[in-house]
Amino acid sequence: VIWMTQSPSLLSASTGDRVIISCRMSQGISSYLAWYQQKPGKAPELLIYAASTLQSGVPSRFSGSGSGTDFTLTISCLQSEDFATYYCQQYYSFPLTFGQGTKLEIK
Amino acid sequence: EVQLVESGGGLVQPGGSLRLSCAASGFTFSSYWMSWVRQAPGKGLEWVANIKQDGSEKYYVDSVKGRFTISRDNAKNSLYLQMNSLRAEDTAVYYCARALRLIWDYWGQGTLVTVSS
Repeated sequence: VIWMTQSPSLLSASTGDRVIISCRMSQGISSYLAWYQQKPGKAPELLIYAASTLQSGVPSRFSGSGSGTDFTLTISCLQSEDFATYYCQQYYSFPLTFGQGTKLEIK
Repeated sequence: EVQLVESGGGLVQPGGSLRLSCAASGFTFSSYWMSWVRQAPGKGLEWVANIKQDGSEKYYVDSVKGRFTISRDNAKNSLYLQMNSLRAEDTAVYYCARALRLIWDYWGQGTLVTVSS
């Protein structure tokens, strides 16, 4: 099983800020990493896959980087609709696993 | 427009069974792997099971192996999850999701399963 450590668990920021969320793997996964955004009471939405490829329709203020064991999701110039919970997910091997989530709240 | 609509959730006693369904539309269902992903109340996401386009390959998280069975009917554009020997820790919202290279690009709205006496 590939364990994932996502940090921070809670992030307070303001509209217009740049934020970075980290995801660290217990073993290397090449670039088999995705990021999702989930708003309360809603299903998750795919933001990024292959560590850095933006899903169609996702704003360019979202970006992903990393490979191997260390990955980051960066949101530049936070908008009000970005306050949500973010999850990383590895798809290098079964079982498919998620990070614990990062709740991004308004400061 | 891609749509995934889950149904079949509800309250069930420990040890009981439940069958979830997911009706798919707006895409060629038979061309995609499909998955179930769950989320316990107030908790994170957990992958449950995957099924290949023709149903010939299935994968499960260890905690549900031997108790849950994923299946599909391509003629009906439907995905299923048969859940037996349910436990309190299976309480969650269950999402049906379309799988693309083992990631999920479309999700249903979810159906709540509550296991309690």
